Order: sequence, then structure tokens, then C-alpha cells
Amino acid sequence: GAVVSQHPSWVICKSGTSVKIECRSLDFQATTMFWYRQFPKQSLMLMATSNEGSKATYEQGVEKDKFLINHASLTLSTLTVTSAHPEDSSFYICSVSDSLGLAGKREQYFGPGTRLTVT
Amino acid sequence: AQSVAQPEDQVNVAEGNPLTVKCTYSVSGNPYLFWYVQYPNRGLQFLLKYITGDNLVKGSYGFEAEFNKSQTSFHLKKPSALVSDSALYFCAVRDITRGSARQLTFGSGTQLTVLP
Repeated sequence: GAVVSQHPSWVICKSGTSVKIECRSLDFQATTMFWYRQFPKQSLMLMATSNEGSKATYEQGVEKDKFLINHASLTLSTLTVTSAHPEDSSFYICSVSDSLGLAGKREQYFGPGTRLTVT
Repeated sequence: AQSVAQPEDQVNVAEGNPLTVKCTYSVSGNPYLFWYVQYPNRGLQFLLKYITGDNLVKGSYGFEAEFNKSQTSFHLKKPSALVSDSALYFCAVRDITRGSARQLTFGSGTQLTVLP
């Protein structure tokens, strides 16, 4: 399967600052990337879906101006948490998918996650 | 709408015993079903998937799952548990309806603890 990396793996920032999380697909052309957030002992909640070169589609309840997603290439997507607050502290996981074959059969490969702590 | 239910938050089993982690799903079309495992502070690792074909799917690390359409279930099983299997397990479903595909929907997760 595809190798997906995230950077940083752990970040602590002060309230009011912005933080950028990178998701890289190392050996895979990721036409679609997904961003999830996961609170402790809870499931993954999809935040947004982005296709390379176009604007991201956000899930209901996710503020697009707060969680900026850029998917400029087939190997890189970034999630920027703007004006972070303590309630944004969470585990953020990216996932990648290609465009080959039927949409339903496409594999999704997950990154190792980024732990964000806002103080 | 599509949904997944994992009725057990926690499953404890003794090492060497068989284990089962339950999952039921609800979709309007045909389901594609997945199991993932997550270790602490790590992303999800793919275990297995059901798309079509044989109802018994074999996956990584000796895990298998059985698709039961009448019961809308996709329980994860392993004949002999290892302490290293202790982790958080997620069931996920993707609904395929009339050629379109929706995003993966995850269950709430089941914490498996294998006792030595």
C-alpha cells in the first residue's frame, strides 16, 4: 500500500496562533486526500475532502475559514488550523486515495497522525 | 445514510483464546466493509476488507472477518489472540449506490485487551 507521512507528529502551540500540518504521499499519486480529527477514545470524524488542484469540500459543522486545506500537488496536502484554541486540541489524521477504478473500491491509506495541543 | 455500530467499547480476552470484535452496518446500497487497527498515538493500519465474493475474508496478522448480509454484520475474528493484538479496532463502511461512492464511515471503535 501507499506510504503516507505527516509532519509534525506532535505540536504544541499557544492559543491564538496558527499551525500547519503536512500530509505527504511518498509513493502514490493522491488525487484525493481526506482530513480526519479524532478525540481521545473516539472515532475518526471526517473534516474535509480535497481533490488535487481544487477547493476542499468540508463536512457539515467544520469551519472552512478555520481549517484551511491546500492540496496543490498529488503528493502534498496541508491543513492549517488558524487562530487555534484549546478545544482544537486533537489528533489529526490524513488519508489518501487515488482515482483508479470504481470509486467505492479505491483504497484509502492513512497517515500516522499529528497530535495538536493548544495551550 | 450509512452507519456503523460497534456495540462493545471494550473487549477483554485471554491470550491464546479466540477473539471476536463485533460490527454491524447500515447502508442503502451495497456495502464495502473494512477493518482497521490503531495503536496509541498512531494512524490507522488496514487489516482487511470485503468488496464482493467469499463472505469470509482473511487479512493481516491472522485476522479474518465474516460478511453476513442477512444480519448486516462484519465481525472481526482471530482464532488465537496475542498480547500484541491489544489495540483499538475500527470497523468502517462505504456505501456503493448506483455507481457512486460515499466516504468511509467509521464505527466508534472497540478497545481490545489481550491478557497474558
